[in-house]
Amino acid sequence: GAGVSQSPSNKVTEKGKDVELRCDPISGHTALYWYRQSLGQGLEFLIYFQGNSAPDKSGLPSDRFSAERTGGSVSTLTIQRTQQEDSAVYLCASSRDRATEAFFGQGTRLTVV
Amino acid sequence: AQSVTQLGSHVSVSEGALVLLRCNYSSSVPPYLFWYVQYPNQGLQLLLKYTSAATLVKGINGFEAEFKKSETSFHLTKPSAHMSDAAEYFCAVSDRGSTLGRLYFGRGTQLTVWP
Repeated sequence: GAGVSQSPSNKVTEKGKDVELRCDPISGHTALYWYRQSLGQGLEFLIYFQGNSAPDKSGLPSDRFSAERTGGSVSTLTIQRTQQEDSAVYLCASSRDRATEAFFGQGTRLTVV
Repeated sequence: AQSVTQLGSHVSVSEGALVLLRCNYSSSVPPYLFWYVQYPNQGLQLLLKYTSAATLVKGINGFEAEFKKSETSFHLTKPSAHMSDAAEYFCAVSDRGSTLGRLYFGRGTQLTVWP
């Protein structure tokens, strides 16, 4: 597609349930990022994939969070046993390489009730 | 690891006034530098970027930024603010020396424009 696509755009889930958030990056982009943005907060880095290199998982807040990128394209962020503090907008971005800009999706707004 | 500092989480200016949003980075090797803007309920959009060419970079919507190696800064300016510039602005860097080249973001600056 023309841009980074994220689905769903909104997700309401009950505390304790697992959720999966999907990101379709721009075709040909080797780098893919996940960020979390809470109300009034900045961008919190979660995880970064670059080509076939081992992902940088240093931003994942707990072992309830995991992400994978299949075939160097689509990525799924999974949050297990969701908690209310997980409520946020989850943003995905992709870039061709480090010298070019990252293109962001519109985000998935996650609400844990 | 890189760090990015945006001085001032909130900046308010009058319409027509100069906009100055500050960004400093930590790397001793000049990184790639970016400014992004986020309008309410939207994703981030690139305003401008510095990779290795001219130190004064012009972006969209009349914004520009100047890379100053001696000050490790990449401040964003616009000569005359418009109401439509009200948004959140993020400075980001990518480390040239890193194999992975991960993006590091500042905490953002919320710009308010008064009529």
